[in-house]
Amino acid sequence: KQEVTQIPAALSVPEGENLVLNCSFTDSAIYNLQWFRQDPGKGLTSLLLIQSSQREQTSGRLNASLDKSSGRSTLYIAASQPGDSATYLCAVNLSNTGKLIFGQGTTLQVKP
Amino acid sequence: DVKVTQSSRYLVKRTGEKVFLECVQDMDHENMFWYRQDPGLGLRLIYFSYDVKMKEKGDIPEGYSVSREKKERFSLILESASTNQTSMYLCASSPQLGAREQYFGPGTRLTVT
Repeated sequence: KQEVTQIPAALSVPEGENLVLNCSFTDSAIYNLQWFRQDPGKGLTSLLLIQSSQREQTSGRLNASLDKSSGRSTLYIAASQPGDSATYLCAVNLSNTGKLIFGQGTTLQVKP
Repeated sequence: DVKVTQSSRYLVKRTGEKVFLECVQDMDHENMFWYRQDPGLGLRLIYFSYDVKMKEKGDIPEGYSVSREKKERFSLILESASTNQTSMYLCASSPQLGAREQYFGPGTRLTVT
């Protein structure tokens, strides 16, 4: 059974730091992996989608990498800002059905 | 931009009531999903649908049913609400082919008293 783990559960950094969020999964047979952002009490906003054949995706200050063989993905945030404070979730897609398996998330606080 | 809307942001219902949660997407997506999100348990899939009138059980379908009469609309039904169904409910949609990106609605915070 696929399990997705995100460590750490919470992270607090000063503004301007570069940081890395980690996501690991137990079954490497995935179609893709998606990173989301969730603000308190709100829905999920899609940040990046990495297909299984890709190694990384970039959007602005965000860079997500994927290593299927080791069952890991990282989300790199450059020059963090207080507005980046949120919970970040990763989810793996096991097949072309679109069913996602989510991690528990990492709650990020960026202090001014 | 893809837009997924949910009928209510907050809902309070009594135990035993029949509850309808509505989700509408405007991008002609084939796939639609209902999740619930609970502290410590994360997001869990309740039901999903590949097309009109088609539905598949997710990981926690007990106590729920769904309806998809039109492509853009996916309804989650709690036949007899119970207090353990108090949760945040999130709807999502995606194109069918190629396991594409999923887009989420703003969520409905349901409280059953």
